[in-house]
Amino acid sequence: AQSVTQLGSHVSVSEGALVLLRCNYSSSVPPYLFWYVQYPNQGLQLLLKYTSAATLVKGINGFEAEFKKSETSFHLTKPSAHMSDAAEYFCAVRGSGYSTLTFGKGTMLLVSP
Amino acid sequence: EAGVAQSPRYKIIEKRQSVAFWCNPISGHATLYWYQQILGQGPKLLIQFQNNGVVDDSQLPKDRFSAERLKGVDSTLKIQPAKLEDSAVYLCASSETIASGGYEQYFGPGTRLTVT
Repeated sequence: AQSVTQLGSHVSVSEGALVLLRCNYSSSVPPYLFWYVQYPNQGLQLLLKYTSAATLVKGINGFEAEFKKSETSFHLTKPSAHMSDAAEYFCAVRGSGYSTLTFGKGTMLLVSP
Repeated sequence: EAGVAQSPRYKIIEKRQSVAFWCNPISGHATLYWYQQILGQGPKLLIQFQNNGVVDDSQLPKDRFSAERLKGVDSTLKIQPAKLEDSAVYLCASSETIASGGYEQYFGPGTRLTVT
């Protein structure tokens, strides 16, 4: 079975500071991993995905994530936070079904001026 | 390209009442998903359709939830009767195929259900 753990339900950063959102996964098969972002009252939008190619994955809006098999991690980073990055971020792993996703509980990113 | 459409956006009902949600996926997308997102949690898959057939409904509470996708396009999710614990956002998503759904799913804005 596949599962995802996101450390920290809330992360606060100042504008311009480094963003680091943590995700650890458990998977019985080689994982496909995803980060989605959800803005208030909107659906989820794919930020980036790891599908067994390059371990450093670049996504939209300046975000990137690194797949580390030895640490079973897929942390999301952005060098400099912007006010518009304030949203909830979900890490997901492809589940037991061929295209089903198992999501973590989410991390709310708060950006202060 | 139009995105995934859902309606209504908000619904408030009393417990034991029934409610239905509608989803129209992106044109041409064969695979459709319904997720339940309870406050403070990530989305949980309820049911997955490939065209008008059910692929996975293992987490659908079938005693009260039902879903259909009769013509392989839009879909309806129904709850009857509703319980307080059904209060959540119901998200619909679609992908071109089952295979592509393992790479990217496109989500609608969701329907926020409050059961009082």
